[in-house]
Amino acid sequence: EAQVTQNPRYLITVTGKKLTVTCSQNMNHEYMSWYRQDPGLGLRQIYYSMNVEVTDKGDVPEGYKVSRKEKRNFPLILESPSPNQTSLYFCASSLPPGQGSDTQYFGPGTRLTVL
Amino acid sequence: GQNIDQPTEMTATEGAIVQINCTYQTSGFNGLFWYQQHAGEAPTFLSYNVLDGLEEKGRFSSFLSRSKGYSYLLLKELQMKDSASYLCAVMDSNYQLIWGAGTKLIIKP
Repeated sequence: EAQVTQNPRYLITVTGKKLTVTCSQNMNHEYMSWYRQDPGLGLRQIYYSMNVEVTDKGDVPEGYKVSRKEKRNFPLILESPSPNQTSLYFCASSLPPGQGSDTQYFGPGTRLTVL
Repeated sequence: GQNIDQPTEMTATEGAIVQINCTYQTSGFNGLFWYQQHAGEAPTFLSYNVLDGLEEKGRFSSFLSRSKGYSYLLLKELQMKDSASYLCAVMDSNYQLIWGAGTKLIIKP
């Protein structure tokens, strides 16, 4: 089954404690991205990756890091989480933009609370 | 700046028709998407328009006018399960997706 998986699904942590949210897709997609979703603001892109070892900042990259060492995995790293990073996070993958099939496939989401 | 506008909330009756509008101002245009998102779940793809006109897919249709920076999603024969948020997104000239805040659709019996 084609899917994007994220772990953990729920996480409560404290300020300053490093954490990683994993994302994996089994569709051989080149393009992957991370979004955060906050009430009234819609989806905002944090980072995206066009292919292995290629990552770029989205609209709200401050406080986040990513890596793309393998095509299927795109982890999101919060080195020193702060309460304003409390949000719902989605990972998504797709074929490269502009190739006629730009449907984004989303993971189930990770609800993060930073105390 | 880039901007996507859609109504915050709409209410409709089961069995009726509802139209959700989306207007956009972006740096270039490489397509417009509609996604459905049930509360607490991931968005799922509904439609994609890159040329002007109407795209029909079962009970759902999506319309695009590039000259007006305008799209709508039309839902027919509404069912209770259609209660969800509907997200409009535009791909700009850099192939970056710009998302609207979403329209929460409430279906009443």
